[in-house]
Amino acid sequence: GQNIDQPTEMTATEGAIVQINCTYQTSGFNGLFWYQQHAGEAPTFLSYNVLDGLEEKGRFSSFLSRSKGYSYLLLKELQMKDSASYLCAVSVNNAGNMLTFGGGTRLMVKP
Amino acid sequence: DSGVTQTPKHLITATGQRVTLRCSPRSGDLSVYWYQQSLDQGLQFLIHYYNGEERAKGNILERFSAQQFPDLHSELNLSSLELGDSALYFCASSVASGIPQYFGPGTRLTVL
Repeated sequence: GQNIDQPTEMTATEGAIVQINCTYQTSGFNGLFWYQQHAGEAPTFLSYNVLDGLEEKGRFSSFLSRSKGYSYLLLKELQMKDSASYLCAVSVNNAGNMLTFGGGTRLMVKP
Repeated sequence: DSGVTQTPKHLITATGQRVTLRCSPRSGDLSVYWYQQSLDQGLQFLIHYYNGEERAKGNILERFSAQQFPDLHSELNLSSLELGDSALYFCASSVASGIPQYFGPGTRLTVL
């Protein structure tokens, strides 16, 4: 099976930078995803890493190290609207590329 | 808006009843995935269909079943409902066997 760990909660200040870590143990790794989810709403796709390294997308960047089973999501220039849960998910190379999600990190951005 | 639609948005029913949740994938997407999200369990994968065929099963109860129709919409049937089935049910779709998956707005099921 898969095991995905990420911190439960984090707090950061508006305008700052925050890094949300995710570690995973899985077989048949096929990619790592980050989703943003506001309470009661659908998860929204943020980023996808399949190779080692950094993927940058505006204020959001995601890093992957496959050998270490480690990823992080970096959010820059934090805004109040970034207060949400951030879900790390791993895709496994089986029939269907199902996603296994971590428990999510609830980020609170304070003024 | 992800392009994935789900109906109904809210559903309130009683224990022992049966309900059907409906999902329409994004145009062109052949894969449909169903997930359950409850407060204490996070997002759990239930089942995946690709072009009408079941491809993978997760932690789906025997009381639950799904199907994908020729027009690619999918339905999740939940029967003999229990209080613990109260949750948000999300549908997601992706192109072919590809990724990423895009999520619909969800159906909030409340079992009383």
